[in-house]
Formats: sequence, structure tokens, C-alpha cells
Amino acid sequence: GNSVTQMEGPVTLSEEAFLTINCTYTATGYPSLFWYVQYPGEGLQLLLKATKADDKGSNKGFEATYRKETTSFHLEKGSVQVSDSAVYFCALRMPSGSRLTFGEGTQLTVNP
Amino acid sequence: GAGVSQSPRYKVAKRGQDVALRCDPISGHVSLFWYQQALGQGPEFLTYFQNEAQLDKSGLPSDRFFAERPEGSVSTLKIQRTQQEDSAVYLCASSPDRVGTGELFFGEGSRLTVL
Repeated sequence: GNSVTQMEGPVTLSEEAFLTINCTYTATGYPSLFWYVQYPGEGLQLLLKATKADDKGSNKGFEATYRKETTSFHLEKGSVQVSDSAVYFCALRMPSGSRLTFGEGTQLTVNP
Repeated sequence: GAGVSQSPRYKVAKRGQDVALRCDPISGHVSLFWYQQALGQGPEFLTYFQNEAQLDKSGLPSDRFFAERPEGSVSTLKIQRTQQEDSAVYLCASSPDRVGTGELFFGEGSRLTVL
């Protein structure tokens, strides 16, 4: 079946550090890929997405590039802020379906 | 409010009790999803509605789980004879897109604890 694997967490960084959260997927076909973020006390929110190979999704300084050859969608940010502290989920959706398949999530803590 | 609203936010049930969890989607959203999120895990798909039609219920873990959306708006997830393994956060999400492929808007979830 389809699956998403995220790097083990939690991740703790200092403000202005560079962030990478790894995400790889297994799917039969060509899924759309997503990053969702869950801030403390809030619901999941879409952060960015990419629908085909080599697409780059970006939002709020975060970026991720859909790499078909490595089946990856790593999340990056050049300079994190304390307000980026949250849980980040990578997810996929197949073209034929509507359900999202999520990874296990990565807790990010950014210290001042 | 303008977002997806879920109630109750917290529910404690004794093993064997029935529970009902409510979801008020964003007004006008056609698609509605339920997900189950165990502690420290990502959300797992339970079921999907398009208006009042339940198009996919393949994620429901057992016949103790039942979901409905009779008028194509509010949805209720019912769990009968709750077991400890049902303890989780139940997330509802809605989408304006008919086929459910647009952006999903999630509620804050209902945390169920079964003692």
C-alpha cells in the first residue's frame, strides 16, 4: 500500500538555524504531496503542496521539491523562528482517490 | 466561527459505553472526512462523505464505528461499545471541492479517552 515515512523526531533548533525535515514516500503511481503543520492548540493546516515531479511548493519561507527519482519531499527553511515551533506532517494523495496518507509527524521546537 | 468545529473537545468514556462525536464543517463545503490520530502518530483515514453520501468507509476499523451526514452538513461519528484501543484524537476535515481533492480544512479534534 501507499505510505509516508518522516525523519525521526523531535527536532530542536536555535532561532535562525537551517531546517530540514526528511520525507520519503512509497506509492504505486504519481501522488500529490503535501506538508501540513499543527501549531499548539490548533488544527492541522496546509503548509504547501506539489502535484507533479520537480514541482516546488513554498509558503511562509518553507520549501519542498517533489523528487520522483528519490521518492522524496523534504521540507526546508533557511532561517527558523520561534513561531515555527509545531508538529509537521508529510502526506500524499493518489490521483484516483481523495484520502490523505500521513507520515507520523515531526515535532519541531525552536529556541530563542 | 468560520472554521471546522468539533465537539466535544474532550470525552472520557468507560469501556463499553457508546460515544458520539460531532463535526460542523465550513458552510458550503461539499466534502467531509474523518481521521483517527493515535498518540504520537499521524492521522489515519476513517471515512469520506460527499454531501450526504458516504463514498468511502474503508478506513473504519470495525463495525462498532459508524458515521453519518444526513443533511450533507453536520456529521456525527459514533463508536459503540468503546474499547481502550479506541482512545485517540478524532479529526474532522472539510473541503469545498466535490471530489475531495482540494485543500482540507481541519478542526481541532475530539480527544477520546477510554478507561
